[in-house]
Amino acid sequence: RKEVEQDPGPFNVPEGATVAFNCTYSNSASQSFFWYRQDCRKEPKLLMSVYSSGNEDGRFTAQLNRASQYISLLIRDSKLSDSATYLCVVNYGQNFVFGPGTRLSVLP
Amino acid sequence: GAGVSQSPSNKVTEKGKDVELRCDPISGHTALYWYRQSLGQGLEFLIYFQGNSAPDKSGLPSDRFSAERTGGSVSTLTIQRTQQEDSAVYLCASSPTMAGGGYTFGSGTRLTVV
Repeated sequence: RKEVEQDPGPFNVPEGATVAFNCTYSNSASQSFFWYRQDCRKEPKLLMSVYSSGNEDGRFTAQLNRASQYISLLIRDSKLSDSATYLCVVNYGQNFVFGPGTRLSVLP
Repeated sequence: GAGVSQSPSNKVTEKGKDVELRCDPISGHTALYWYRQSLGQGLEFLIYFQGNSAPDKSGLPSDRFSAERTGGSVSTLTIQRTQQEDSAVYLCASSPTMAGGGYTFGSGTRLTVV
């Protein structure tokens, strides 16, 4: 099993749609979880951390399920500018492993 | 500086040559990571520096790859005897601690081995 797995995508959704991405991880000892966003040919940028109780930042909601070793990212009322690749990041000890990413295209 | 600075932004080199990639992290950041990303692929961890501790080199793909970090600041990634499969974008990130989520990436060095 790979360390961090994500929905393969791509997700093509119309503007205004709600879309959810899933990520699973293999290390039950992982403590830190994040979602990063990467635009085409750009470096990844932190979107949000993922907290045990779940957290929200505007249209974005992140959730963590430790029992199932699963995190999710929900985007509501999607915008054209949300089109990007979304990367799940999980710590393995002092190292941080990136998932392969899920590509989202928001269509007009 | 205000962000993580990497140089050069692009490098084309002939197979068999050595290359050096530089990363200047955000001032005061103690953690520094190198990753590489091949076209259409995810990020591959290479090496991690934290303060004065011994670096975690577990991600380096071969002994042709090495990295150092001088004075706890600037880092140099060296690839000896480059091969075509080394072609990728090499990304550097720094963080105030090993917290990971607080780290900022540089814009990367696009390496092409011909």
